[in-house]
Amino acid sequence: ETGVTQTPRHLVMGMTNKKSLKCEQHLGHNAMYWYKQSAKKPLELMFVYSLEERVENNSVPSRFSPECPNSSHLFLHLHTLQPEDSALYLCASSQELLAGGGETQYFGPGTRLLVL
Amino acid sequence: EDQVTQSPEALRLQEGESSSLNCSYTVSGLRGLFWYRQDPGKGPEFLFTLYSAGEEKEKERLKATLTKKESFLHITAPKPEDSATYLCAVGAGNQFYFGTGTSLTVIP
Repeated sequence: ETGVTQTPRHLVMGMTNKKSLKCEQHLGHNAMYWYKQSAKKPLELMFVYSLEERVENNSVPSRFSPECPNSSHLFLHLHTLQPEDSALYLCASSQELLAGGGETQYFGPGTRLLVL
Repeated sequence: EDQVTQSPEALRLQEGESSSLNCSYTVSGLRGLFWYRQDPGKGPEFLFTLYSAGEEKEKERLKATLTKKESFLHITAPKPEDSATYLCAVGAGNQFYFGTGTSLTVIP
C-alpha cells in the first residue's frame, strides 16, 4: 500500500460529459502531482501543487482543470474530453516539492480513463 | 533538450539469468534519479533514489548504480515475480522526466 489512493479506478465517459478524478494521500506530504500515462509514451507531468498552490502547469489543455483544496486531496476535473485523452491518470505525492532536493514521489494506482 | 532513454525496450530472461537495464539521461541540474517498478494496471512502485555519481543501492535481487550520464538496474538471479515494467525518472528543477520503461519478462 503506497498511501496514495485514487478514485474511480476505471472511468468511461463521452466527449460531452463532465467528471472528476480524486486523489488522496495519507503520507503527510506537502506536494502532489497529476501525470498522464499513455501506451508506449513516457509519463507526462500535467500539474504540480505545493501546499495547495499550483506551481507547474505543463501546457495542459483547459479541458483538464485541477483543484487542490488541501495538502491531502487533489482533484482533476474533466470536461469535453477527446478520445486521445484516453489514458491512465496517475496521482503522486512527495514530502516536499521536487526542487527542494530530488524528493521521491509515491504514486497511486491510477484511474484508467476511456473517452468515447 | 532534456531526455531520458531506457534500453532495452523489452527483455526476456530465463529464471536465474542475471542482466542489466540501462537508463541514460541528458538532463542538466540533476536532483535525483529514480527507479520504479510498474505492474500492469497499477501505479509505479518506488524502488530506489540515487543522488550522485558513484552511488549504489540494493534491494533483494536488485541493485541500482549511477554515473554522470546513466544508471543501471542490475537484476541478479531473477524470478518470475520480478516480471514488470521498470521505469527510470530524472528529477531536475520542478520537473520529473520519465523514460518509456523496460518491460521485463522472467520465464520459469
